[in-house]
Amino acid sequence: IAGITQAPTSQILAAGRRMTLRCTQDMRHNAMYWYRQDLGLGLRLIHYSNTAGTTGKGEVPDGYSVSRANTDDFPLTLASAVPSQTSVYFCASSALAGPYEQYFGPGTRLTVT
Amino acid sequence: DQQVKQNSPSLSVQEGRISILNCDYTNSMFDYFLWYKKYPAEGPTFLISISSIKDKNEDGRFTVFLNKSAKHLSLHIVPSQPGDSAVYFCAASEAGGFKTIFGAGTRLFVKA
Repeated sequence: IAGITQAPTSQILAAGRRMTLRCTQDMRHNAMYWYRQDLGLGLRLIHYSNTAGTTGKGEVPDGYSVSRANTDDFPLTLASAVPSQTSVYFCASSALAGPYEQYFGPGTRLTVT
Repeated sequence: DQQVKQNSPSLSVQEGRISILNCDYTNSMFDYFLWYKKYPAEGPTFLISISSIKDKNEDGRFTVFLNKSAKHLSLHIVPSQPGDSAVYFCAASEAGGFKTIFGAGTRLFVKA
């Protein structure tokens, strides 16, 4: 059982480049989330999806976009990366949308230079 | 403005003693609270939760206490073990809400 997988594990990206972080879950969970973790700020929600075909904005959505074409995949795209997007990105899922236990992937460490 | 605050960046405890991690929140609409544990280079993992209709929830060595009037919750670990050394995140959600708000985390060191 893989749970949630994220790719790549880490990436160094030049400012201005486009980048898609991949997230796949095999638990058939309805809800999926993207967070960024920064020192002293904890985990901040970027975007979420309650079910396939729907997405919503979190606390820090600017500069990011998501899509949810099916239940399993929830890619996060940086259209034009900036250094402030240097962070560790975590994808998560929960069986249902709402205040429920979330399962997290191992994270993607992104450095924008 | 952070709605969920963990004011202690770190805590050091001797093995076998109690660890108490604290969390304060400002949003009175929060009614479900969770604690997650995170080891380096891994994603957070769910530890324990509590809803606002309760003031205590226990699971083995872990107990969460909720004081709604003070908008405060705490996680007690008894007895603490070296394997408990990790970053602990407090998180909160509103009833019917889709967003979970996390605190900045507290790094716990359990010394053998």
